[in-house]
Amino acid sequence: NAGVTQTPKFQVLKTGQSMTLQCAQDMNHNSMYWYRQDPGMGLRLIYYSASEGTTDKGEVPNGYNVSRLNKREFSLRLESAAPSQTSVYFCASDRGNTGELFFGEGSRLTVL
Amino acid sequence: EDQVTQSPEALRLQEGESSSLNCSYTVSGLRGLFWYRQDPGKGPEFLFTLYSAGEEKEKERLKATLTKKESFLHITAPKPEDSATYLCAVQAEETSGSRLTFGEGTQLTVNP
Repeated sequence: NAGVTQTPKFQVLKTGQSMTLQCAQDMNHNSMYWYRQDPGMGLRLIYYSASEGTTDKGEVPNGYNVSRLNKREFSLRLESAAPSQTSVYFCASDRGNTGELFFGEGSRLTVL
Repeated sequence: EDQVTQSPEALRLQEGESSSLNCSYTVSGLRGLFWYRQDPGKGPEFLFTLYSAGEEKEKERLKATLTKKESFLHITAPKPEDSATYLCAVQAEETSGSRLTFGEGTQLTVNP
């Protein structure tokens, strides 16, 4: 039972490069989320998808795009990476509106 | 704007030395308050949900309580394996999905 799986676990980019973080869950959850975690800032919501086919902005959406590919998968894309996007990114899921989130192990991104 | 403030930032205890972590919050109508545990290099793991003032939840050596302005996570006779960062989060009544606002966390170290 894998839960929430994120890839890649580590990535180094140069400023201006693009990349996509992948997330998949096998718990048949309706809702999926992308958070970033920075020292002194806590976890901040980037985008979320309440159900398949819908996406909404969170607290810090600028510089990111998302795709809810199907019920299982929710990807986060950085079109033109900036050093300010250096962070640890977490994907999470839940049944929907419960607050009981299941998190992946994180993707550690460094932008030089 | 919803806000969550956790104190202290860091806490060192000796094994068996009980203590409490604090989570102060401001939210426009509380739907739920959540406690998570995060181990180094891992994603947060859900511990408790509290919905109304006066409510308490327990799990092993942990007990969470809630008032109208704050929540406490009491740790009784902690063990070294309780060492982790403990995160508090709130969900406002009017939000869609599990849009949580997180605090920065309290890093707990329990020495043997």
